[in-house]
Amino acid sequence: EPEVTQTPSHQVTQMGQEVILRCVPISNHLYFYWYRQILGQKVEFLVSFYNNEISEKSEIFDDQFSVERPDGSNFTLKIRSTKLEDSAMYFCASSRTVTNSPLHFGNGTRLTVT
Amino acid sequence: DQQVKQNSPSLSVQEGRISILNCDYTNSMFDYFLWYKKYPAEGPTFLISISSIKDKNEDGRFTVFLNKSAKHLSLHIVPSQPGDSAVYFCAAKRNYGGSQGNLIFGKGTKLSVKP
Repeated sequence: EPEVTQTPSHQVTQMGQEVILRCVPISNHLYFYWYRQILGQKVEFLVSFYNNEISEKSEIFDDQFSVERPDGSNFTLKIRSTKLEDSAMYFCASSRTVTNSPLHFGNGTRLTVT
Repeated sequence: DQQVKQNSPSLSVQEGRISILNCDYTNSMFDYFLWYKKYPAEGPTFLISISSIKDKNEDGRFTVFLNKSAKHLSLHIVPSQPGDSAVYFCAAKRNYGGSQGNLIFGKGTKLSVKP
């Protein structure tokens, strides 16, 4: 069964550094998403992406964050200057359509900012 | 603002019995509801969904019931198996009118199925 793959599984970085989290969505899916889960908290929406542009973003997704689909298969999340509070599990997801279509999630990248 | 609530943090069930996981929501604009299962160190795995035009959807051992007037949904697992032990998340979204990409999750219920 097709799946969403994310790399790396764990990333440790120092405060102020840039990180790029990578994702390969399911190949016939058109909508892509990033979510995050801070330890002990709910899974939270960050951003959705369709047709090579951001379709929606949350308040969390400020100017420090950016997303890109650099080629036909990868989808990336960049955090320009990491803060301690960016430490979380980051999940990429994709869906075929935006209505009545489940999101399929990857196994996440655990980001630790020291 | 807890738009999706799972009030039971944990549930323990005997193997072979029925597991019933509950979820309440407050936003009447939600029209698509999903259940996910999550093992430690993995991402949420999609289980089953239901559109607001239905009140029941069944897939094998899993059935989701939706009561729109009560803003309540439940997931039934029959029969429960030890491999079902995981954290189950309820999630909801709007299909139309904005915020379509924003899946709102509950806090999860940890299900333990004992042999």
